[in-house]
Amino acid sequence: DIQMTQSPSAMSASVGDRVTITCRASQGISNYLAWFQQKPGKVPKRLIYAASSLQSGVPSRFSGSGSGTEFTLTISGLQPEDFATYFCLQHNSYPLTFGGGTKVEIK
Amino acid sequence: QLQLQESGPGLVKPSETLSLTCTVSGVSVSSSNYFWAWIRQPPGKGLEWIGSVYYTGNTYYNPSLKNRVSISVDMSKNQFSLKLSSLTAADTAFYYCARETGDLDYWGLGTLVTVSS
Repeated sequence: DIQMTQSPSAMSASVGDRVTITCRASQGISNYLAWFQQKPGKVPKRLIYAASSLQSGVPSRFSGSGSGTEFTLTISGLQPEDFATYFCLQHNSYPLTFGGGTKVEIK
Repeated sequence: QLQLQESGPGLVKPSETLSLTCTVSGVSVSSSNYFWAWIRQPPGKGLEWIGSVYYTGNTYYNPSLKNRVSISVDMSKNQFSLKLSSLTAADTAFYYCARETGDLDYWGLGTLVTVSS
C-alpha cells in the first residue's frame, strides 16, 4: 500500500495568510493526486486533480504542485470560508489512500 | 446533473451485515469510463477507501476489509451496493459513495451508520 503522510496535521492562520500543506507518498505516484476540502458535516469537495489542475468553480487562490512523492497545496490569501480540513488522495494504485488531513483553524 | 444518493439503515447491531445502496442519476453506471467507489469516515477522523466496482462486476477492495466486504453493481436500477459483514463498533462511520474517474470527483452526501446493540 502507498502511505500518504500529510503535514501539518493542524495549523492556525489568519485571513490573508499564505498557507502551504504537504503530502508525501511512500513511493512515486506520478501526478495521480487530488486535494479535497471538507467542512464540518459536509461532503469532501475536490479542489485539485492531477496534482495541479484546478477543479472548475474553485477559486484561483488554491493551487497544487508536485510530482512523484512530494505534493503541495497552497492557498494564497486565506479567506474566512477556507477554514476547513484538507485531505490529499493518491490514486496511482489500489488501495486508494488518503492523507491524514490538515485542519486549518483561525488564529 | 450527476447525483449520487446513499440509502440504508442508520443503526445496525454488532456481528450483523451492513447493506448500503448508492443510486446514481445523471450518468449510467454501465459507462466504461468510470468505476464506482465506497469510502467511509468515522466521526471526527480521516477518510478510508473501502472498495470500487466496474460495470463488468470487476472489484477492488481495501485489504484491511477484504474478507468482510462485497461491492456489486445493478445496471438495471443504475445502482451499486456495499455489503460489510461482521460489524463492530469500529465500523461506525459516515459512508459515502462516489464516482471514480481515477480520483473521486463526485460524492454522495453520505449516510451515518452506527453499530450498536
